[in-house]
Amino acid sequence: EIVLTQSPDTLSLSPGERATLSCRASQSISVYLAWYQQKPGQAPRLLIYDASNRASGIPARFSGSGSGTDFTLTISSLEPEDFAVYYCQQRNYWPQTFGQGTKLEIK
Amino acid sequence: EVQLMESGGGLIQPGGSLRLSCAASGLTVSGNYMSWVRQAPGKGLEWVSMIYSSAGGGETHYTDSVKGRFTISRDNSENTLFLQMNSLRAEDTALYYCVRWTERYYDYWGQGTLVTVSS
Repeated sequence: EIVLTQSPDTLSLSPGERATLSCRASQSISVYLAWYQQKPGQAPRLLIYDASNRASGIPARFSGSGSGTDFTLTISSLEPEDFAVYYCQQRNYWPQTFGQGTKLEIK
Repeated sequence: EVQLMESGGGLIQPGGSLRLSCAASGLTVSGNYMSWVRQAPGKGLEWVSMIYSSAGGGETHYTDSVKGRFTISRDNSENTLFLQMNSLRAEDTALYYCVRWTERYYDYWGQGTLVTVSS
């Protein structure tokens, strides 16, 4: 099973700052990684798929990069609504797996 | 507009059974790859099971911890996805989401149904 390790567990930043979230895979998963955002009491929402493709309706401040084992989700300038938990997910190997999540909180 | 509406959760004793349902509108369950993804209280996301579309052969897949206990299925006439859960354990306690898989990512999620396994 592919283990996805997200870092940091919690990231404390202020609105307007840049956020960089990391996801590391236990072995190469090519570019088959997605990022989801989850707010309290809500289902997750797709942000990025295949490492760097923004999903429909996702603001341009969200971007993804990486391949192989190391991936990054960047939020260029945080808006108040961006404070949430972020998960990465791989689809290159069965079973699909998710990272443990990074909580992005207001500093 | 796509809507996925889960139901069937509740409080169940260890060893018991539950059947979750996911009524779909705006998409056909048989024409899509559908999954169940769960989230234990205060924890992260865990993929549980997937059923391929009819065109994809209808294969089913399960995470190891539920193999032999859970069964995913669908009723095409009712446009509904199911998850039959037997021999439930405390560690199965979670919010269970019904989700559409596009073969690249999960795009449509229901709001979830809560399963609590406790004596």
